[in-house]
Amino acid sequence: QVQLQESGPGLVKPSETLSLTCSVSGGSISSYYWSWIRQPPGKGLDWIGYIFYSGSTNYNPSLKSRVTISVDTSKNQFSLKLTSVTAADTAVYYCARQTRYSSGWYFDLWGRGTLVTVSS
Amino acid sequence: SYELTQPPSVSVSPGQTARITCSGDALPKQYAYWYQQKPGQAPVLVICQDTERPSGIPERFSGSSSGTTVTLTISGVQAEDEADYYCQSSDSSGTYVVFGGGTKLTVL
Repeated sequence: QVQLQESGPGLVKPSETLSLTCSVSGGSISSYYWSWIRQPPGKGLDWIGYIFYSGSTNYNPSLKSRVTISVDTSKNQFSLKLTSVTAADTAVYYCARQTRYSSGWYFDLWGRGTLVTVSS
Repeated sequence: SYELTQPPSVSVSPGQTARITCSGDALPKQYAYWYQQKPGQAPVLVICQDTERPSGIPERFSGSSSGTTVTLTISGVQAEDEADYYCQSSDSSGTYVVFGGGTKLTVL
């Protein structure tokens, strides 16, 4: 079955760029939407944005100025870059498959998540 | 920005029925989804399209919708149902995704 796995540094310094990659195994990245979602320690879920396999993107307006999501279909991976990070960006970051139904969205497949701490 | 509102906590005794609500202005137009999250784990989809149960989810989980409020009902609550529950939907245009703040279900 399709599985997602996040990877990347667990510690990022303030003002630097957070970079994570999600590897899709057991299936193709093509024909689907792929997302990043984060969860600060002890808090709720926060949608960051999605990318379609073709490369089109949509971001949460609250993060749009700092976020870039990209896809590499040859590697079956998609990635997240978040610039100018602060302690408020400390969170577990999940990658997920985002599915369209009617005029809305939902998430039917999740990675296990990876904790990223922003600290000097 | 669009928001979904959930109660922070709900407590029930084993075998009783737990009801968790989620309110949002766009819910009459957009389907709601419910996720269960246990400590240290990724969320798991337990209800989709307001009322549908994905394969593998126990029958005691059900969903309903009325106007601007959707409800997750867990009948005959078991100790293993203790978790955080999140509702999720989209804004009225279907452009953005939004999560509720989450409800911690405690099984007494």
